[in-house]
Amino acid sequence: RKEVEQDPGPFNVPEGATVAFNCTYSNSASQSFFWYRQDCRKEPKLLMSVYSSGNEDGRFTAQLNRASQYISLLIRDSKLSDSATYLCVVTPSYNTDKLIFGTGTRLQVFP
Amino acid sequence: DAGVIQSPRHEVTEMGQEVTLRCKPISGHNSLFWYRQTMMRGLELLIYFNNNVPIDDSGMPEDRFSAKMPNASFSTLKIQPSEPRDSAVYFCASSSLNQPQHFGDGTRLSIL
Repeated sequence: RKEVEQDPGPFNVPEGATVAFNCTYSNSASQSFFWYRQDCRKEPKLLMSVYSSGNEDGRFTAQLNRASQYISLLIRDSKLSDSATYLCVVTPSYNTDKLIFGTGTRLQVFP
Repeated sequence: DAGVIQSPRHEVTEMGQEVTLRCKPISGHNSLFWYRQTMMRGLELLIYFNNNVPIDDSGMPEDRFSAKMPNASFSTLKIQPSEPRDSAVYFCASSSLNQPQHFGDGTRLSIL
């Protein structure tokens, strides 16, 4: 079983739609959680950290469910520029910089 | 502020040749990471350093791969001899403890 699992997609949605991605992780000791975004042929970039209480950044909302070991990302009012691959990322334990990346979920927003 | 700087951006070489990838982390970051990304396997951690010391090299595929970090501002990833299956995008990233990682632009490596 992979340490971090994501639906690869693609998710094809029209502009203005709301779309949600889920991710599950296998290590219950995981401490920190992130969503990264990767555009085609570019490097991954941090989109947002995920906190236990849930957090929002504009149109993006991230939530963490430790009991079920899953993380979600909700994008409201999708824009064409949101088209990218979204990577779910966890740290395997406390006090480490090591990150475990999911293989990503591809989003394509169409006009 | 300068981000993580990698060189070269692209490398095309014949199998059997030695390949050296270079990385300059963000100043002040004490952790440095080398990743490999392919369509089939996604983003894989090869090795990471903390304060210039290798901490986890369990992702290094085999002895043909080696990495060094002689000082806080420079690291290399070397493949010798290279093989076609090593073709991938290699990313370097750096971070401070418990902070998100910042990635370089990557090196696109093609082994013919």
